[in-house]
Amino acid sequence: EVQLVESGGALVQPGTSLRLSCAASGFTFDDYAMHWVRQVPGKGLEWVSGLSWNSGTIGYADSVKGRFTISRDNAKKSVFLQMNSLRAEDTALYYCTKDVSGFVGNYYFDSWGQGTLVTVSS
Amino acid sequence: EIVLTQSPVTLSLSPGDTATLSCRASQSVSHNFLAWYQQKPGQAPRLLIHHASRRATDIPDRFSGSGSGTDFTLTISRVEAEDFAVYYCQQSGDSPPGYTFGQGTKLEIK
Repeated sequence: EVQLVESGGALVQPGTSLRLSCAASGFTFDDYAMHWVRQVPGKGLEWVSGLSWNSGTIGYADSVKGRFTISRDNAKKSVFLQMNSLRAEDTALYYCTKDVSGFVGNYYFDSWGQGTLVTVSS
Repeated sequence: EIVLTQSPVTLSLSPGDTATLSCRASQSVSHNFLAWYQQKPGQAPRLLIHHASRRATDIPDRFSGSGSGTDFTLTISRVEAEDFAVYYCQQSGDSPPGYTFGQGTKLEIK
């Protein structure tokens, strides 16, 4: 069974940094692209970032480009999201998701974690 | 960037009815890479349909997807109590890589 467990969410002040982690199990991690998708409570879904199986292709939403960095450690079956210069509008539940392919940009997400909440407020 | 517009925003139906949800893209969706997700309160989204019309694993056959190009439809036949939720469509592209979601349709009990 595929499991994705996010951690690292917290209440932080604007302008600060936070690092989210996602621990994966139940599948061959280094075969698949991984992503972060966020959702403001009560609102819709927004793709944040994704990277291919070998980190060779990485994409970001325009809203986070230059502030967030995605990475993965295939040996530890984990994916990370380094979030810098956080803003109030980054407040959301952040989901770790698994792609159905090893590549970014052409498919969809077949497994989701339960999310970790990031709140940016002074 | 392709924008996905879902309609209606809210759909009120009774159990046993047929639900028809629409997703319209601002440009043609590449290779019909259009997916549908279901999200219930307090839960993560669940993949229902991919490639516009293919049911994901363990999805009941009362869920069906159709469409191509810019117009896509999710149909739920004989709606059951467990189907009342929010539904999102999603498309992807690779130049540059990115994914967009529709704003969602809430299926509620009438």
